[in-house]
Amino acid sequence: GNSVTQMEGPVTLSEEAFLTINCTYTATGYPSLFWYVQYPGEGLQLLLKATKADDKGSNKGFEATYRKETTSFHLEKGSVQVSDSAVYFCALSDSLSQKLVFGQGTRLTINP
Amino acid sequence: GAVVSQHPSWVICKSGTSVKIECRSLDFQATTMFWYRQFPKQSLMLMATSNEGSKATYEQGVEKDKFLINHASLTLSTLTVTSAHPEDSSFYICSASLGVETQYFGPGTRLLVL
Repeated sequence: GNSVTQMEGPVTLSEEAFLTINCTYTATGYPSLFWYVQYPGEGLQLLLKATKADDKGSNKGFEATYRKETTSFHLEKGSVQVSDSAVYFCALSDSLSQKLVFGQGTRLTINP
Repeated sequence: GAVVSQHPSWVICKSGTSVKIECRSLDFQATTMFWYRQFPKQSLMLMATSNEGSKATYEQGVEKDKFLINHASLTLSTLTVTSAHPEDSSFYICSASLGVETQYFGPGTRLLVL
């Protein structure tokens, strides 16, 4: 079945550091890939997505590229801010069923 | 953006009682809603898919008689945990679908069964 594996946290960085959160997936067919973010006390929000190989999703300075050859969708940001502190989830979906399969989540803390 | 609410945000109940959790799409109509369960420091696990006016589709291993789902309107789905036990304590999250591959999530409901 489909599955998502992302790097374990927690991850702690200083402000303006470079961020990478690794995500790899196993899936049949051609899934869409997502990154969701959960800020403290709030629901999950879609951060970015990519629907086919080599697509790059980007939002709020975050980027991730759909790499079919390595089955990866790593999240990157060049310079993180304290406000980026949150839990980040990598996910994939089967477009037919709309079902989302999530990774385990990575807690990110940015210190000033 | 689209807003999904859940009520209550947290609930404590005694073992053996039933608890109802509501999920509402506030500014859009959702033909499909999803219910997830999240254990501490773990991922979200899909429990069931709820379609308006029809029976919910449960994931393997989820007891449909234990977790009753009703999707009575295009803006409301409810999850009832029947005869709750301590092992049902968890964080329950709903989402509402606005088209293919677009889900909006509620803030979650924390359930503690004593």
